[in-house]
Amino acid sequence: GAVVSQHPSWVICKSGTSVKIECRSLDFQATTMFWYRQFPKQSLMLMATSNEGSKATYEQGVEKDKFLINHASLTLSTLTVTSAHPEDSSFYICSAKTGSEREFGPGTRLTVL
Amino acid sequence: GENVEQHPSTLSVQEGDSAVIKCTYSDSASNYFPWYKQELGKRPQLIIDIRSNVGEKKDQRIAVTLNKTAKHFSLHITETQPEDSAVYFCAASSNTGFQKLVFGTGTRLLVSP
Repeated sequence: GAVVSQHPSWVICKSGTSVKIECRSLDFQATTMFWYRQFPKQSLMLMATSNEGSKATYEQGVEKDKFLINHASLTLSTLTVTSAHPEDSSFYICSAKTGSEREFGPGTRLTVL
Repeated sequence: GENVEQHPSTLSVQEGDSAVIKCTYSDSASNYFPWYKQELGKRPQLIIDIRSNVGEKKDQRIAVTLNKTAKHFSLHITETQPEDSAVYFCAASSNTGFQKLVFGTGTRLLVSP
């Protein structure tokens, strides 16, 4: 079946630094990928929709200059958290469309000190 | 945009009892309604889904019902087992635009032996 991978699985960084998270569709092409953020004991909140070859579409309240998304190929989307702060610490999960269903990556736990 | 509400937020049952989780959605264009089970620190796992042309779907101990007129759908788990304990999320997606998947707030299910 369709598989989505994410890298890294966890990352710890200092406040003010940038962190890049990769999301790959391993055995299928994904023209559209989605990035979610999940705080402890909360739901998955959609941050942005990533489309191959075009600019990402951000949800209301999500800063596009802080969360840079690049979808340069049909199998890779990246999320860069720029100038990270402790409040950006969260579980970031990507998802790719396969027909009407969705495949989710295993998530990346970001901790900003 | 779509808004999905989910109740209850927590649900405790005895092993063997049934569990019901309910969701409502706001966008009448939504036509795909998946349910996910998420264990701590893991990706959401699809357990069942239903499309708007169907009123009910069953898979062994799990069933989902959909009322398009009222814009609500429910997850039914029968003969619950301790391993059913997890957080369950409903979600909704339309077939327009990017077909974004919007999640409900989640239900923490605890099945006691």
